[in-house]
Formats: sequence, C-alpha cells, structure tokens
Amino acid sequence: AQSVTQLGSHVSVSEGALVLLRCNYSSSVPPYLFWYVQYPNQGLQLLLKYTTGATLVKGINGFEAEFKKSETSFHLTKPSAHMSDAAEYFCAVSLTLIGNKLTFGTGTQLKVEL
Amino acid sequence: NAGVTQTPKFRVLKTGQSMTLLCAQDMNHEYMYWYRQDPGMGLRLIHYSVGEGTTAKGEVPDGYNVSRLKKQNFLLGLESAAPSQTSVYFCASNRPQKTVNTEAFFGQGTRLTVV
Repeated sequence: AQSVTQLGSHVSVSEGALVLLRCNYSSSVPPYLFWYVQYPNQGLQLLLKYTTGATLVKGINGFEAEFKKSETSFHLTKPSAHMSDAAEYFCAVSLTLIGNKLTFGTGTQLKVEL
Repeated sequence: NAGVTQTPKFRVLKTGQSMTLLCAQDMNHEYMYWYRQDPGMGLRLIHYSVGEGTTAKGEVPDGYNVSRLKKQNFLLGLESAAPSQTSVYFCASNRPQKTVNTEAFFGQGTRLTVV
C-alpha cells in the first residue's frame, strides 16, 4: 500500500523568503509523485509531477521538487515566495501506470506574510 | 473549453434525503473519479471508473453509489444522506497512457452539508 505524509499542516513565510513544503511517501514500488495546489473555493491544479527520469522536476509558478529515493521524499520548494502563492498544497502518490488512483497527503496551508 | 464541470456547487440536505451529484467532462477522458475532502484528511477516493459502464470502489465507498452510463458523465449518489457525509466533493478525470501517469483534471467542487 502507498501513503503520503506531509509534515506541517500550516507553514508561514515572509514574502521573498524560501518556501519549503515537505512530503514523504511510502511505497513498495517506484512511485509516481505529484504536487497539487488548491486556491480558496477552487479545485486542485497540478503544479508538477515526477514519473521517471530527472529527479529534479520544475513546475509552474516557479516551484520545483526533487525526488530523493534514499530519503523517500519529494519536497516542494520555491526560492522566493509571493503573496499569490498563499494556498493549500497537496502531495500525492500513485503506483499505477494505467489510471491515476492518487493517494493524497493531508495538505499544507501556506501563508505568505508581508 | 469547460474541462470538468460539477453540479450543483452547493447543497444542503436533511438527514435521510437523497441526491445525485453530476460530473461532466468534455476532454474525452476514459478515467473519472470522485473524491471527498475533509479538514485535516486531504482527499480520499470514493469511487472511480475506468470507462463507460464500469465502476469500482475506492477508499471510502460506503454510503455512496455511482454510475457511468455515458463516457462524459460520472454520477455520485447518496441514497440516504448522513451528517458524516458533510464534505466537499471533487470529481476528476484523466486519460490513461501506457508509459506515463497522466495529469488528473479536477472540477471546482461541490460543498454538501447534511443537517
């Protein structure tokens, strides 16, 4: 079975500061990993994904994540936070090649302060 | 291009009432999913479908039924609503590929309150 753990349900950063949202996964086989963002009263939007190949994945809005197999982690980072980054972020894992039964973490609410 | 559309967006039900949530996608996707989102629990898969006429149980299927009579539509039914089903419901869809796991597109959500 697969699972995802997001450390920290709330993260607060200053505008311009580094954003680091942590995600660790548990999987018996190589996983496919995703980060989604949810803005208030909206659905989820894909930020980035790791399937195979390069372990550093770049996504939209300046976000990136690095797949580290030895640490079973897929942390999300952004060098400089912007007010518009305030949202809830979900890490998700999937084991299936065909289909996309995602298992989600519990989410991290990012607050960006002036 | 509408993507994934959910109706209704909001609903209040009394305990024991029934209702159906509709999800429609215009991307010709094979796979469709229903999730529920609860505070502190992330999104949990209720039911999913890998094609027209097929459905399968997810992580939390009890109290829900689904149907996929048409490829573009995926219906979620609550036969007898309970307060524990108060949640935000999200529909998603994607197209399977053999070598990569494709992005799932999500609807805007349906906020359901059962009183």
